[in-house]
Amino acid sequence: DSGVTQTPKHLITATGQRVTLRCSPRSGDLSVYWYQQSLDQGLQFLIQYYNGEERAKGNILERFSAQQFPDLHSELNLSSLELGDSALYFCASSSWAASTQYFGPGTRLTVL
Amino acid sequence: EDQVTQSPEALRLQEGESSSLNCSYTVSGLRGLFWYRQDPGKGPEFLFTLYSAGEEKEKERLKATLTKKESFLHITAPKPEDSATYLCAVVGNNNDMRFGAGTRLTVKP
Repeated sequence: DSGVTQTPKHLITATGQRVTLRCSPRSGDLSVYWYQQSLDQGLQFLIQYYNGEERAKGNILERFSAQQFPDLHSELNLSSLELGDSALYFCASSSWAASTQYFGPGTRLTVL
Repeated sequence: EDQVTQSPEALRLQEGESSSLNCSYTVSGLRGLFWYRQDPGKGPEFLFTLYSAGEEKEKERLKATLTKKESFLHITAPKPEDSATYLCAVVGNNNDMRFGAGTRLTVKP
């Protein structure tokens, strides 16, 4: 158990809908990262937050947004969902920018 | 731009047959190289962090080594439970973690 929690574990929704994925980092970690992993694809970095501030952006679509709250948990919002958004979404946390990232169990999103 | 290339893409071994996985990287100012293990449908599990050329770390049947251009993950006498995808990642001066595509390891009994 990495100490990073993600909810929900599974999410099934329809095209055009909006969903929110939640992540709680390990105790004491200030950085939160979001990744997308499609079937048989590598991990694609989406976005990073550090202590509430957006720090880095990767291949994140404009339909996606995220935020980190004062208690350090983070939410990833996905809107106007398309079939291609079906994937595993992972959250990771670390204590500082370049330190080891610890991953949560992921949320499996299925868009029908 | 930082790049990470892992080889081979897939590796099939017999139980007890030792081998190595390769991770070649180009990065501006290496701040850390990371190895993870990922089982299907699960989150990556941290294995090792290496910070400088010449460094080595071991854990059970796994040993990671680092040079200025690549890292190796050596697997000694693997067991079927070692079957997984092994991911390599680097962090450079920009503090962004870049992952390779992974090596899918299958160990047959």
